[in-house]
Amino acid sequence: TQLLEQSPQFLSIQEGENLTVYCNSSSVFSSLQWYRQEPGEGPVLLVTVVTGGEVKKLKRLTFQFGDARKDSSLHITAAQPGDTGLYLCAGARDYKLSFGAGTTVTVRA
Amino acid sequence: SQTIHQWPATLVQPVGSPLSLECTVEGTSNPNLYWYRQAAGRGLQLLFYSVGIGQISSEVPQNLSASRPQDRQFILSSKKLLLSDSGFYLCAWRSFHSYNEQFFGPGTRLTVL
Repeated sequence: TQLLEQSPQFLSIQEGENLTVYCNSSSVFSSLQWYRQEPGEGPVLLVTVVTGGEVKKLKRLTFQFGDARKDSSLHITAAQPGDTGLYLCAGARDYKLSFGAGTTVTVRA
Repeated sequence: SQTIHQWPATLVQPVGSPLSLECTVEGTSNPNLYWYRQAAGRGLQLLFYSVGIGQISSEVPQNLSASRPQDRQFILSSKKLLLSDSGFYLCAWRSFHSYNEQFFGPGTRLTVL
């Protein structure tokens, strides 16, 4: 059983469209991380959110941490082909991370 | 700056053979170290973590073991590989002073035939 549920599992959109990926749990986390992974490579950290209700922006990416620190979302505005990849959320507790199953995002040119 | 290395990058091994994957971190001291396995296009499963030399915690009972002989070295081993051990193995480190951000190595693709 996955501690963190990510949705959707797959997302294919046209360049210029917006997208949102969701990460939900019944557990509370001390922080939540989002990673992006390319095929055959290790995940790369995009952002860490710590405070309930926190919103962070990274260029066209907006990350939100739920008020109760159980869920998070990633919104990409005007997606580009370079945004293609596997997006993973991970919740932190006791020096360990629990990962969601990932959302595979494909942005078509 | 910190760097994490894993080798080999790719490995093909027969069933029943031994395994040794190595991970080293540069540019930091006393990191927490982690081994994960990832199925194709899916999330990461934590296998082992270590908070110091000789200190190993196992998350999932399996055919694998881990050791930390030096502060910045983490080794994943098996005496006899199974077909189910195939996968993408990732090593990660965490700074003692952080919000649990982990930084990953490039990974090892293991295929057991």
